[in-house]
Amino acid sequence: EVQLVESGGGLVKPGGSLRLSCAASGFTFSVYSMNWVRQAPGKGLEWVSSISSRSTNIYYADSLKGRFTISRDNAKNSLYLQMNSLRAEDTGIYYCATWSLGFDYWGQGILVTVSS
Amino acid sequence: DIQMTQSPSTLSASVGDRVTITCRASQSVTNWLAWYQQKPGKAPKLLIYKASSLESGVPSRFSGSGSGTEFTLTISSLQPGDFATYYCQQYNTYSWTFGQGTKVEIK
Repeated sequence: EVQLVESGGGLVKPGGSLRLSCAASGFTFSVYSMNWVRQAPGKGLEWVSSISSRSTNIYYADSLKGRFTISRDNAKNSLYLQMNSLRAEDTGIYYCATWSLGFDYWGQGILVTVSS
Repeated sequence: DIQMTQSPSTLSASVGDRVTITCRASQSVTNWLAWYQQKPGKAPKLLIYKASSLESGVPSRFSGSGSGTEFTLTISSLQPGDFATYYCQQYNTYSWTFGQGTKVEIK
């Protein structure tokens, strides 16, 4: 069974940092492109970042302006998102998701709250 | 960036109704268009990929059509478990964008 489990979320003050992790199991993690997608409270879905299977290609949403860094460790079947200079508008649920012809598999999401 | 616009934003329907949701792209995405269903408190679920291909395990009452800039998701006979929010999503040149969502409510 495919499983994606996010961790590392929580409450952080504006300007602070968080590192999200996504642990994958039940599939060959190393062949999939991986993504982070977020959802502000009561709002729609927003793609955040994508990393190819061997970390060769990395992409970010323009709105992030260089504050976030995606990475992965195929030996550990893990995906990461380093989030710096956090703002109130970064508050929301963060999902990790695989990508092939669509976002096939999703984690359950992890809540990030940016507030003083 | 390519913008995706869904209509309507909210749709009231009854069990057994045929339901159609439209998604328009600000420029052509060829057929790189997917549809997702999201229920409250849950992660989205992939329904349709490449505009018209049904994801494995998804009931055949869901179908997708379109290409270029205009796409539709049709539910042929709405079932109780189908009341949810639906999102379209495009992929083009290393950028992914979602529509704002269509909430399907019980009439």
